[in-house]
Amino acid sequence: DAGITQSPRHKVTETGTPVTLRCHQTENHRYMYWYRQDPGHGLRLIHYSYGVKDTDKGEVSDGYSVSRSKTEDFLLTLESATSSQTSVYFCAISGLTGGSYNEQFFGPGTRLTVL
Amino acid sequence: KQEVTQIPAALSVPEGENLVLNCSFTDSAIYNLQWFRQDPGKGLTSLLLIQSSQREQTSGRLNASLDKSSGRSTLYIAASQPGDSATYLCAVMGTGANNLFFGTGTRLTVIP
Repeated sequence: DAGITQSPRHKVTETGTPVTLRCHQTENHRYMYWYRQDPGHGLRLIHYSYGVKDTDKGEVSDGYSVSRSKTEDFLLTLESATSSQTSVYFCAISGLTGGSYNEQFFGPGTRLTVL
Repeated sequence: KQEVTQIPAALSVPEGENLVLNCSFTDSAIYNLQWFRQDPGKGLTSLLLIQSSQREQTSGRLNASLDKSSGRSTLYIAASQPGDSATYLCAVMGTGANNLFFGTGTRLTVIP
């Protein structure tokens, strides 16, 4: 299995509080991604990173920010959590070989509940 | 925007059957297509990756095909087993690393 860990694995928080989720990889892959998974919507991309300090928005980025200060860590922050951000959050990593994007490997997920 | 559809949403088969899962996408300008399985409450496990220049990939009892011009991919599972029970997801990467779109999956149950 690809070396990807997410922390915390479960979190319950209240509306309006800040929340930070962490993704850590040991594969030295260039690309890191944050997705959310919701019933009826499948997985949707929130933000991604293509290198240290290089990030960009995905399909559902409103209300989220990210940071990547080291190759191995990618943080997702909810500045002021809302109930609509209750979801399962997945981190993924991938590399680039010969101009072709490689497989994406996923972490175990973080289940976030905002009350 | 790329739309990815997986039909059927759920499938139940007896053990030993060969089966096909379908994935269709609306924009044929893709870099690659990837099939995953997801067990309840778990993360996604990559099964097969097909680059846009390839027609198929095989891994054990699994075979995935890609017809980019028609916007379709199939995942063939031979001699199904109860351990194959899971949700199977199809994902298409479009014109960049930030452009990956998932279907909502097919939930497969293999009955012993």
